[in-house]
Amino acid sequence: EAQVTQNPRYLITVTGKKLTVTCSQNMNHEYMSWYRQDPGLGLRQIYYSMNVEVTDKGDVPEGYKVSRKEKRNFPLILESPSPNQTSLYFCASSAFAGTAGEQYFGPGTRLTVT
Amino acid sequence: SQQGEEDPQALSIQEGENATMNCSYKTSINNLQWYRQNSGRGLVHLILIRSNEREKHSGRLRVTLDTSKKSSSLLITASRAADTASYFCATVPIGNTGKLIFGQGTTLQVKP
Repeated sequence: EAQVTQNPRYLITVTGKKLTVTCSQNMNHEYMSWYRQDPGLGLRQIYYSMNVEVTDKGDVPEGYKVSRKEKRNFPLILESPSPNQTSLYFCASSAFAGTAGEQYFGPGTRLTVT
Repeated sequence: SQQGEEDPQALSIQEGENATMNCSYKTSINNLQWYRQNSGRGLVHLILIRSNEREKHSGRLRVTLDTSKKSSSLLITASRAADTASYFCATVPIGNTGKLIFGQGTTLQVKP
């Protein structure tokens, strides 16, 4: 089944404790991206990757890191999480080359930082 | 930056009626996309319309794009209770085609 998977789905952590949210797609898509969704602010793009080893900042990259060592994986790293990073996070992928096209979204990761 | 602004923020209709949602954006675009989200779940892609297209259909969905007014509309015909969800427009700006900028969404309730 073609899908984007994220792990974990739910995470409660404390300020400053490094964490990684994994994202994997099995559709051989070139493009992958991370978003966060907050009430009243909608979805905002954190980082995106057009291809392996190529990553770029979205609108809200501060406090996050990403890497794209393999085509299928695009982990999101929070080196020192803070309470303002409490949010619902989505990973997505797209087959479009060179542009953000039709996105396939993962199920989401609900992160709480206390 | 929030490129898209959607109108209305919330819409409540009866089953069988049509629902129209509007999206306005600020900068020139490569394409515009519409997504649906059921409460807290992942988004589902509905339609992508390119900047040189004016109208697109998919089943009961009709999307229009007016680049001169920087606006788009999504029409859902003969709505069903299962169409209850939040609907988002998202734009890909020219010159930065890796970005996807979402509007704040319209919450649609379809009453049976």
